Amino acid sequence: EVQLVQSGAEVKKPGESLKISCKGSGYSFTSYWIGWVRQMPGKGLEWMGIIYPGDSDTRYSPSFQGQVTISADKSISTAYLQWSSLKASDTAMYYCARREAPGAFDIWGQGTMVTVSS
Amino acid sequence: QSALTQPASVSGSPGQSITISCTGTSSDVGSYNLVSWYQQHPGKAPKLMIYEGSKRPSGVSNRFSGSKSGNTASLTISGLQAEDEADYYCCSYAGSVVFGGGTKLTVL
Repeated sequence: EVQLVQSGAEVKKPGESLKISCKGSGYSFTSYWIGWVRQMPGKGLEWMGIIYPGDSDTRYSPSFQGQVTISADKSISTAYLQWSSLKASDTAMYYCARREAPGAFDIWGQGTMVTVSS
Repeated sequence: QSALTQPASVSGSPGQSITISCTGTSSDVGSYNLVSWYQQHPGKAPKLMIYEGSKRPSGVSNRFSGSKSGNTASLTISGLQAEDEADYYCCSYAGSVVFGGGTKLTVL
């Protein structure tokens, strides 16, 4: 079964760092781009960026450039999203998704809820 | 890139058809046939329903169809069913990815 499994929910304080993960299985992980999408509570989907695990080519949405870092370890079929200094406004559900075609994300992780609160 | 424009809500009765619009610009929706549509039920991850404007992934009901005219893409759901009640998001690719604001579909 093709699937993406994300790491569990996190509760952090402002200023802390965080790295969440997305592990792919059931397909060639290095052959598909993996994107990250933010969904703030009660709000819509926002595209954050994308990585090609085959060569770690990474692209960011201008809105998230410099705010997060996307990486991947192809040896363990895992993509990552990390923050160096969290803010309360980073509180959201974060999804990873496999890109089947430009703009078409066909497999989604279950989401990782990140809560940042003092 | 600015978010694509969708109506906040639409509604329809079981068995009816509804259409959700998604308006972009000549730089995104209008330039490429790369609009996709996602369905999201509360507390669930989004699900791809339409890609490349009008293609359906395997397993998606043929009650769902996509089209485009100029800078506006549309998702039509025919034979509305209770389980279609969800949020729907359009997405366009034009070198980068941009989502619409989402439309809440209510089945009356």
